[in-house]
Amino acid sequence: AQSVTQLDSHVSVSEGTPVLLRCNYSSSYSPSLFWYVQHPNKGLQLLLKYTSAATLVKGINGFEAEFKKSETSFHLTKPSAHMSDAAEYFCVVIPSGYALNFGKGTSLLVTP
Amino acid sequence: EAGVAQSPRYKIIEKRQSVAFWCNPISGHATLYWYQQILGQGPKLLIQFQNNGVVDDSQLPKDRFSAERLKGVDSTLKIQPAKLEDSAVYLCASSSGGEGYGYTFGSGTRLTVV
Repeated sequence: AQSVTQLDSHVSVSEGTPVLLRCNYSSSYSPSLFWYVQHPNKGLQLLLKYTSAATLVKGINGFEAEFKKSETSFHLTKPSAHMSDAAEYFCVVIPSGYALNFGKGTSLLVTP
Repeated sequence: EAGVAQSPRYKIIEKRQSVAFWCNPISGHATLYWYQQILGQGPKLLIQFQNNGVVDDSQLPKDRFSAERLKGVDSTLKIQPAKLEDSAVYLCASSSGGEGYGYTFGSGTRLTVV
């Protein structure tokens, strides 16, 4: 079965410093992986997706993620955090049937 | 294009009462999903429809939850009777098919059971 583990439930960074949100996946074959963001009282928004075309994936709002098969990781990064990046972030994998399988989420806090 | 519409946005009921949620997917999207998101957790799939047929309802508590998608468009999710642990945000999503492509979420219905 395909699943993801988000290694940190909370991450706190200062505005202007790099962001790293960690995700490991478990899959018997090359998975499709995604990062979603959820701002308070708002819907889920797709940040980026990996579908085996390129290992470094660029998303919206300056986020990117690198697929590393040897480490079974798909960490989300951003060079410089902005206050508006404060939100809940979900790493997601697709098992069979096209439904999304979500991690437990990482809450990102950005301090001035 | 219009997004995935859900109603109501908020609902407060007493335990043992019944409640229904409605979802109108993006026009033309054949696949519709209902997810349950308990506070502090990631969304969990309850049921997946392909047109008006059920693809996966393995995580739907069928003794109290039911869902239908008549005519392959709108969908309703019902809980009867509700329990305190059903308090959550219920998210509807639709997709045009294929792995993760064209996936759009609604804003959700926040249910509080007291």
